[in-house]
Amino acid sequence: SQELEQSPQSLIVQEGKNLTINCTSSKTLYGLYWYKQKYGEGLIFLMMLQKGGEEKSHEKITAKLDEKKQQSSLHITASQPSHAGIYLCGADQATGNQFYFGTGTSLTVIP
Amino acid sequence: DAGVIQSPRHEVTEMGQEVTLRCKPISGHNSLFWYRQTMMRGLELLIYFNNNVPIDDSGMPEDRFSAKMPNASFSTLKIQPSEPRDSAVYFCASSFDRATTEAFFGQGTRLTVV
Repeated sequence: SQELEQSPQSLIVQEGKNLTINCTSSKTLYGLYWYKQKYGEGLIFLMMLQKGGEEKSHEKITAKLDEKKQQSSLHITASQPSHAGIYLCGADQATGNQFYFGTGTSLTVIP
Repeated sequence: DAGVIQSPRHEVTEMGQEVTLRCKPISGHNSLFWYRQTMMRGLELLIYFNNNVPIDDSGMPEDRFSAKMPNASFSTLKIQPSEPRDSAVYFCASSFDRATTEAFFGQGTRLTVV
């Protein structure tokens, strides 16, 4: 089965600081997805990476998939309180219908 | 469209009681997913329906859990009998086909079994 390990588990940063969240897979990733969840709400899709070396950005959030396609990082530049929440990576299995989520990273941004 | 609608938002029940969680997917979506979220295990896929048919229920923890989708606009997740370890937030999501990249999630049902 696919295993996705996220680090760190939780993060507290001062507003304006940059931060990085990592997602490491035990197997080759065929599609890596990043989601954000606010407490008590559903998941919000952020972006999806498929190709080794691919990098995508949305506003101040950038995600990369390494060349070997077993690790992805999510980088937030100049963090704001609105970035607070739980960040989840997710991966599609090459075959079958199963979809796996990472362990999650809880982000707190202090104004 | 109002999005994926789950009910109830919160449920507190006594151990041994039957619990039914409800989900109304987005109209036109033909895939529906039930997830469970706990602090210990994160987000887990329990079961996935496509065109009202259960496709993969390998994530269902045990026989106490059952899910149905009698029509395209309604699904239930039932726990009977409930146990304290079932306490979690249960999410329902729907998508067009099984494109989970654009799955839309409900607000979740927070279940507490005492």
